[in-house]
Amino acid sequence: DVKVTQSSRYLVKRTGEKVFLECVQDMDHENMFWYRQDPGLGLRLIYFSYDVKMKEKGDIPEGYSVSREKKERFSLILESASTNQTSMYLCASKSSGGYTFGSGTRLTVV
Amino acid sequence: QKEVEQDPGPLSVPEGAIVSLNCTYSNSAFQYFMWYRQYSRKGPELLMYTYSSGNKEDGRFTAQVDKSSKYISLFIRDSQPSDSATYLCAMWKTSYDKVIFGPGTSLSVIP
Repeated sequence: DVKVTQSSRYLVKRTGEKVFLECVQDMDHENMFWYRQDPGLGLRLIYFSYDVKMKEKGDIPEGYSVSREKKERFSLILESASTNQTSMYLCASKSSGGYTFGSGTRLTVV
Repeated sequence: QKEVEQDPGPLSVPEGAIVSLNCTYSNSAFQYFMWYRQYSRKGPELLMYTYSSGNKEDGRFTAQVDKSSKYISLFIRDSQPSDSATYLCAMWKTSYDKVIFGPGTSLSVIP
């Protein structure tokens, strides 16, 4: 089975901090995604990547950036964390059979 | 109009009931359809995956796609308290497209 691992389950950060969320997949998938999930708003796509060093903006990229230096690793960066970025962040890896999600990182910005 | 619509619930049923979860969509180009189950504070996990129209069964779960009506369903037979979760439908046009998710339906199965 494909495994997608997110490095942290819970994070608490201060406003203005630079935050790194890490995601690693073990099945050599080309396509990786970052979503945030908020009550009533569902899953919203932040960024995705279809190859190493390639990235594409999703629906809500403002305040975020990403890095994909290696195929298995896709990082989400909050340049200057704000309270409205408090959310559940989900990383996913895609194959022809659909998405595999990580367990999520619940980020609280105080 | 949103591309994918799903009643958010919450839906509460007694143990052993048959549950029907549904999504409607507007883009007739969607070909691949999935159902994800998400337990509280966890990431979604793939439950069922179907291509084009028809039915697919896996144990107590049956996924149904009606492309003519742009309507997909997930049926759960003999529902269990462990089925209590949020169920998300998802779909896409080709393997090169991003996946579109429904907002999810919250289900509680009461013992």
